[in-house]
Amino acid sequence: DIVLTQSPASLAVSLGQRATISCRASQSVSTSSYSYMHWYQQKPGQPPKLLIKYASNLESGVPARFSGSGSGTDFTLNIHPVEEEDTATYYCQHSWEIPPTFGSGTKLEIK
Amino acid sequence: EVKLLESGGGLVQPGGSLKLSCAASGFDFSRYWMSWVRQAPGKGLEWIGEINPDSSTINYTPSLKDKFIISRDNAKNTLYLQMSKVRSEDTALYYCARRAATSWFAYWGQGTLVTVSA
Repeated sequence: DIVLTQSPASLAVSLGQRATISCRASQSVSTSSYSYMHWYQQKPGQPPKLLIKYASNLESGVPARFSGSGSGTDFTLNIHPVEEEDTATYYCQHSWEIPPTFGSGTKLEIK
Repeated sequence: EVKLLESGGGLVQPGGSLKLSCAASGFDFSRYWMSWVRQAPGKGLEWIGEINPDSSTINYTPSLKDKFIISRDNAKNTLYLQMSKVRSEDTALYYCARRAATSWFAYWGQGTLVTVSA
């Protein structure tokens, strides 16, 4: 199975500043055309919500302050400027092979 | 509006069985891959498995394929998860999710809680 390692496990960011979350895959999940990495936001008591697909494509309805980048084994989710409502846990997920796996999550707190 | 509503969770004894259901509405259920994903209390997300539109392909995460069986009834717009030989580590919130082909999980239900305890 492909292991996705997220860092940091938690972070606190001041309102209006930038939050950067990293996801490293144990093997490449990219081709020359696509990167099979996706990002989710999960707030307490709610199911995950898709934010970004194919590493950098914003899901419809997701605010433009969310952005994704990366390829190969290293991927990043950026949130700028952070807002109070961004308090949540964020997960990466690959779809390179079966089974699709998730990162362990990054808990974001807004100061 | 896409809706997924899980049911069937509850308290089950170790070694027991339970069948979860996921009722789908707001889309043509018979055209989509569907998955089960679980989340243990305070933990991360674990994909259990998936089923293709006509049930001809069912994939499982290797560690769970001998315990869980995924099925669907397109006439009833319902996805199922048959759980057997459950253990305490199977205690989790079980989500059904609609997968875009074999990529991301676009829609999720609210989950149904399964607690394994004597």
